[in-house]
Amino acid sequence: NAGVTQTPKFQVLKTGQSMTLQCAQDMNHNSMYWYRQDPGMGLRLIYYSASEGTTDKGEVPNGYNVSRLNKREFSLRLESAAPSQTSVYFCASSSLGPSGMEHFGDGTRLSIL
Amino acid sequence: LAKTTQPISMDSYEGQEVNITCSHNNIATNDYITWYQQFPSQGPRFIIQGYKTKVTNEVASLFIPADRKSSTLSLPRVSLSDTAVYYCLVGDGGFKTIFGAGTRLFVKA
Repeated sequence: NAGVTQTPKFQVLKTGQSMTLQCAQDMNHNSMYWYRQDPGMGLRLIYYSASEGTTDKGEVPNGYNVSRLNKREFSLRLESAAPSQTSVYFCASSSLGPSGMEHFGDGTRLSIL
Repeated sequence: LAKTTQPISMDSYEGQEVNITCSHNNIATNDYITWYQQFPSQGPRFIIQGYKTKVTNEVASLFIPADRKSSTLSLPRVSLSDTAVYYCLVGDGGFKTIFGAGTRLFVKA
């Protein structure tokens, strides 16, 4: 019963490098999300995918791209990493509807030097 | 999306009941109230959700007054392992869930 799985768990990049964070869920959820969490802060939504084949911007989408590969997988790409993108990245999934609850992965800790 | 206000931090001792109140004056008719718990180095975890009155599960209780402008998460007999950040969210389960800074609960021995 894996739930939401994120890879890698840790990564260090140099400024300007590119990177794709992977996320997969095994709960047959329609919706998937990417958040970032900076130290001492709450989570901020980067992008979400309401259903397979659709993606939309969240609160802080600049500098990121996403791909909803299939119903299970939702990836986040940093094309040219910047130090301001140093953060912990969480992927989540949820069922649709007013009582949909989000299930989170354990995060990817990304440092950009 | 309704904005929420909750205390930044709270301290408690093992065995005590902890009540964390969240204000959400602009809650809409279709909005649910959801609480999450986050431990260090982990993603948030759903605790409880309610619409009105009282909801109880094996972990916590959620009290919602009739006007629904606030809610209170009640954790009975906390232990050291309940030290975490607790987030109050209000929404209709739509796609743009907003997490505030949460309440940092520190349980002391």
